[in-house]
Amino acid sequence: EPEVTQTPSHQVTQMGQEVILRCVPISNHLYFYWYRQILGQKVEFLVSFYNNEISEKSEIFDDQFSVERPDGSNFTLKIRSTKLEDSAMYFCASSPDYSNQPQHFGDGTRLSIL
Amino acid sequence: GDSVTQMEGPVTLSEEAFLTINCTYTATGYPSLFWYVQYPGEGLQLLLKATKADDKGSNKGFEATYRKETTSFHLEKGSVQVSDSAVYFCALSDRARDDKIIFGKGTRLHILP
Repeated sequence: EPEVTQTPSHQVTQMGQEVILRCVPISNHLYFYWYRQILGQKVEFLVSFYNNEISEKSEIFDDQFSVERPDGSNFTLKIRSTKLEDSAMYFCASSPDYSNQPQHFGDGTRLSIL
Repeated sequence: GDSVTQMEGPVTLSEEAFLTINCTYTATGYPSLFWYVQYPGEGLQLLLKATKADDKGSNKGFEATYRKETTSFHLEKGSVQVSDSAVYFCALSDRARDDKIIFGKGTRLHILP
């Protein structure tokens, strides 16, 4: 079964540094998402992306965050200047269309900010 | 706004016991409801879903029924196995309104052999 793949599985970064988290969505999917889960807390929506633009973003997704689909297969989340509170598990998801099709999630990237 | 509340964990059961994990939701529209499972060291996997009232989602022996009158979507399994040990997330999505999935806090399930 096709999968959403995320790399790296664990990223350790110094506070203030830029970090890019990478995702390869399922190949025929059109909608792409990032979520995060701070340790012990809920999984929270960050942003959705369709047709090469952001379709929705949460309050968490401030100017420090950006997303990009640089080619036909990758979907990236960039954090420009990381803060300690950005430490979390980041999940990428994709879905085939805008209906009741569920989102398929990757295994996540654990981001640790030192 | 919309929200999901599920029972606090951890839940510890013996193998072959009956499982219920309670989930209730608050929504202004007509959301789809989901259960996702996260096995140790892995990502979120869709376990089952229901898209309208009275639908029953089922998979791998797990079931949940979309109850609009009680705004609930409780997860049940008749006989759990050690391999069911995981974190279970109840979630909703109203794609008539927006894109996001709203998750509950998750319930950790431990099954003892």
